[in-house]
Amino acid sequence: DIQMTQSPSTLSASVGDRVTITCRASQSVSNWLAWYQQKPGKAPKLLIYKASSLQSAVPSRFSGSGSGTEFTLTISSLQSDDFATYYCQQYNSYPLTFGGGTKVEIK
Amino acid sequence: EVQLLESGGGLVQPGGSLRLSCAASGFTFSSYAMSWVRQAPGKGLEWVSIVTHNGDRAYYADSVKGRFTLSRDNSKNTLSLQVNSLRADDTAVYYCAKSGANYFDSWGQGTLVTVSS
Repeated sequence: DIQMTQSPSTLSASVGDRVTITCRASQSVSNWLAWYQQKPGKAPKLLIYKASSLQSAVPSRFSGSGSGTEFTLTISSLQSDDFATYYCQQYNSYPLTFGGGTKVEIK
Repeated sequence: EVQLLESGGGLVQPGGSLRLSCAASGFTFSSYAMSWVRQAPGKGLEWVSIVTHNGDRAYYADSVKGRFTLSRDNSKNTLSLQVNSLRADDTAVYYCAKSGANYFDSWGQGTLVTVSS
């Protein structure tokens, strides 16, 4: 199974900050990687697929990069609506696996 | 607009069974793979199972293999997850998700399964 490791697990930031979250795979997943945002009590929402493709209607301040085993999600200027937990997910092979999550908190 | 509405969750004793359902609308159901993803209280996301667009193949996480069965009825736009031999660690919110190329582009609101005596 491919293990996905996110860092940091918690991140404290202020509105307007540039935020970067890292996701590492235990083996190459090519660019078959997605990112999700989840707010408390709500279903996750797809932000990025194929490592860097922005899902429809997702603000352009979100971007993804990387390939192989190392990936990043960047929020260029953090907004109040962005305080949430973020998950990466590989879909290179079964079982599909998620990272443990990164909680973005208000500093 | 894509809508996914889960139902069937509830409180069940260890060893018991439930049938979770997901009613889909707003897209051509028969053209997409469909999945279940679960989230234990206070924990992260765990993929459970996926079924191909025509229902001919299903894949499962090792943690549920042999106990859960995923099926679909494309004539009724419905996805079903039969969950048997439930254990305490199956307690979670179960989400139905539309699967574009094995990632999840739309999610339902979830249904809570609680396994407890």
